[in-house]
Amino acid sequence: GAVVSQHPSWVICKSGTSVKIECRSLDFQATTMFWYRQFPKQSLMLMATSNEGSKATYEQGVEKDKFLINHASLTLSTLTVTSAHPEDSSFYICSARKVQTDTQYFGPGTRLTVL
Amino acid sequence: GENVEQHPSTLSVQEGDSAVIKCTYSDSASNYFPWYKQELGKRPQLIIDIRSNVGEKKDQRIAVTLNKTAKHFSLHITETQPEDSAVYFCAASMTGSQGNLIFGKGTKLSVKP
Repeated sequence: GAVVSQHPSWVICKSGTSVKIECRSLDFQATTMFWYRQFPKQSLMLMATSNEGSKATYEQGVEKDKFLINHASLTLSTLTVTSAHPEDSSFYICSARKVQTDTQYFGPGTRLTVL
Repeated sequence: GENVEQHPSTLSVQEGDSAVIKCTYSDSASNYFPWYKQELGKRPQLIIDIRSNVGEKKDQRIAVTLNKTAKHFSLHITETQPEDSAVYFCAASMTGSQGNLIFGKGTKLSVKP
């Protein structure tokens, strides 16, 4: 159990377009999901915390109008990168925390390349 | 806020030797400390975790120790194998509904056959 999927696994888009990434917990409910960004050979940087049915909490320096997060159900959170630019190119990983536990399970990540 | 320091950044060991990775944290309120293993291009996988009411936890070749007073915790891998080669991240958080994981910068472990 505790499988998290992410879609798409990779995406290439033109500068100025928007990209939506989905994160799903397949076999458990997650009241809280997290979105991370990871640059090559670097650690995971928390972007925002997504709570089901409420607004996301963004980390300092993360533009909430650029990175739109929606957590409409206990198994789905989405991250939309709006008006993407080349500097937004990165590896985006979500994680989901099982209800009533502390353990976070990670999705496989989405490689975003903005041309 | 919480700050997690991890050392070393790279570690190379011979197959069969032990590997130790150390982390320190700054927030004494943190009480949950997981370790993740990430292979190149893949998702981080939880390998072991420890809570502040425990000083040590073992799972086969992997163990984690926690010193709350000194605010540091360590990952110990014994009898290393080439498949242990990966980047390892420590993290710290507070349990509860807003317990965000704060990650260390990672340790690239290379196990040479």
